[in-house]
Amino acid sequence: ILNVEQSPQSLHVQEGDSTNFTCSFPSSNFYALHWYRWETAKSPEALFVMTLNGDEKKKGRISATLNTKEGYSYLYIKGSQPEDSATYLCAFLTNFGNEKLTFGTGTRLTIIP
Amino acid sequence: EAQVTQNPRYLITVTGKKLTVTCSQNMNHEYMSWYRQDPGLGLRQIYYSMNVEVTDKGDVPEGYKVSRKEKRNFPLILESPSPNQTSLYFCASSSGDRGPLLSYNEQFFGPGTRLTVL
Repeated sequence: ILNVEQSPQSLHVQEGDSTNFTCSFPSSNFYALHWYRWETAKSPEALFVMTLNGDEKKKGRISATLNTKEGYSYLYIKGSQPEDSATYLCAFLTNFGNEKLTFGTGTRLTIIP
Repeated sequence: EAQVTQNPRYLITVTGKKLTVTCSQNMNHEYMSWYRQDPGLGLRQIYYSMNVEVTDKGDVPEGYKVSRKEKRNFPLILESPSPNQTSLYFCASSSGDRGPLLSYNEQFFGPGTRLTVL
């Protein structure tokens, strides 16, 4: 089983501040990295699918970068709002010829009004 | 409305009593998958299917069965549930619109099924 690690496990951020967190994955056999946002009592929702080294994706105030050579991705949230409170999950896909996603345990973000 | 549905949403059952959790998607997606979520462990994949009649094991398949007879449905079967299968279960689907399945396409998750096995 592949190891996908997310840090920190939890984070409290003042409303209006910017923040970022990390997803680390095996740098060999990389195929794709997914980011999902999971609000309490709801289902995970996709943010980004990233495939290329150096890739940068943006959706509103949320952006992500990818470094496949060193095996990490950063998720950034600019000007945090209360509705950003959620658990952010990353998931790693290898090129082993299957379609198995391995998820990290997530970063739980709480925005303090 | 494009969606993934699961039934039931909540289920309390007893050890050994066979059960099925249904999953259906109306987006004509090729890929479907089942996950379980346990505290501190993250989402773990149980089984997945890349198309009709094509299924494969995920990381934690023991004690579960699946079938994919139609593109829209992907039921999860617990033949003899045990207390360690108490968990929150999610079904998800994905298309191949932008390229090979999960390499380029995000997953859409169902609402979840909270299962308790006594």
